[in-house]
Amino acid sequence: ETGVTQTPRHLVMGMTNKKSLKCEQHLGHNAMYWYKQSAKKPLELMFVYSLEERVENNSVPSRFSPECPNSSHLFLHLHTLQPEDSALYLCASSQAGLGSGANVLTFGAGSRLTVL
Amino acid sequence: GQNIDQPTEMTATEGAIVQINCTYQTSGFNGLFWYQQHAGEAPTFLSYNVLDGLEEKGRFSSFLSRSKGYSYLLLKELQMKDSASYLCAVVIYNQGGKLIFGQGTELSVKP
Repeated sequence: ETGVTQTPRHLVMGMTNKKSLKCEQHLGHNAMYWYKQSAKKPLELMFVYSLEERVENNSVPSRFSPECPNSSHLFLHLHTLQPEDSALYLCASSQAGLGSGANVLTFGAGSRLTVL
Repeated sequence: GQNIDQPTEMTATEGAIVQINCTYQTSGFNGLFWYQQHAGEAPTFLSYNVLDGLEEKGRFSSFLSRSKGYSYLLLKELQMKDSASYLCAVVIYNQGGKLIFGQGTELSVKP
């Protein structure tokens, strides 16, 4: 596999469920990101990991919990979500992390989350 | 605050030329990206401008004027496959290279 792979592609969950989104990059990049994409809204940066260390937490509610066990894998753990959290969650990676100037992001295709 | 504006939707005809504008007011600037996103797919990198002027890459060109806070993406010889959302994103230098995205422009190419 090449690029950035996200699973699952679609997820429906109730407000009391616990689920996780997974992202894997096969590019040898050092930084990984979670973005939220809601309809008709700009992409919102949620979290950034650089060399497995979280370097950005963009005032995201604690019901979203990221995990980066190594430089190739990134998870987003979901717990007690609200219907307004329904969105497309995009993972991305870049060669260098924040503070390294402009980085070209390589995105995954996203996980479409619906919270009932 | 940070503000990036793009038209929400545009329609153009196959074979024509279309220009998608992006204006920004940001605190700090270290370049501007354009990404293309087809429905249900990942955004993909199109161009990056940090200096004023025009960058040409095949049918696609991107222009930047830092003094005016303005960029555009020019698509020539439009094809049906160019129907997609086009995302403008500014690199905020004083925020460690963070990307701030516009809401995207949905382009529909009609025969």
